[in-house]
Amino acid sequence: DAGVIQSPRHEVTEMGQEVTLRCKPISGHNSLFWYRQTMMRGLELLIYFNNNVPIDDSGMPEDRFSAKMPNASFSTLKIQPSEPRDSAVYFCASTKSGGRVGGEDTQYFGPGTRLTVL
Amino acid sequence: KNEVEQSPQNLTAQEGEFITINCSYSVGISALHWLQQHPGGGIVSLFMLSSGKKKHGRLIATINIQEKHSSLHITASHPRDSAVYICAVRSPNTGNQFYFGTGTSLTVIP
Repeated sequence: DAGVIQSPRHEVTEMGQEVTLRCKPISGHNSLFWYRQTMMRGLELLIYFNNNVPIDDSGMPEDRFSAKMPNASFSTLKIQPSEPRDSAVYFCASTKSGGRVGGEDTQYFGPGTRLTVL
Repeated sequence: KNEVEQSPQNLTAQEGEFITINCSYSVGISALHWLQQHPGGGIVSLFMLSSGKKKHGRLIATINIQEKHSSLHITASHPRDSAVYICAVRSPNTGNQFYFGTGTSLTVIP
């Protein structure tokens, strides 16, 4: 398997522009997570999906952020409008959830998208 | 207040040394994860555990639920073990939120 695929790997944009990050989870995995990592705050969970349904988006910083999972093989994280403080590395991870609360297998991380907002 | 505390923050060891990284947490958890982040930025999930002990190669992870503490041990450390090790817990008490430690930066010197 190719693992979790993220695109783009690097994105540089100007403040105010819309940014869309993409993630393809590992085939057969039914849980998908979006994380953000910054030097100041470390790793943070933004949102996660189970069977394509958003379960918890309490980590999404504000309304400028939105995430979708239209099918089991694709998810997007959109920032509109982007701001310099959104600059970070965004990771997507997937896992096979057993369905129990907290029940999950090892998470597999994508390589991340390094976002720079000027 | 951090829900997850790791120690030490930085660690330098000679090749071959036995290494221990500690993680303490203050919330009820359903699972604890140990992650490894390489200098290039990639993240690898090492262990997910909810009780007892797990071993994979030279890595051993233990957890004590009563004491809310986990340790990651590396035996016969090697320079390729140099990375940041991150402890993360998932808490059912707060809607299955993830809480992350700030990481332990390990450097193994040949």
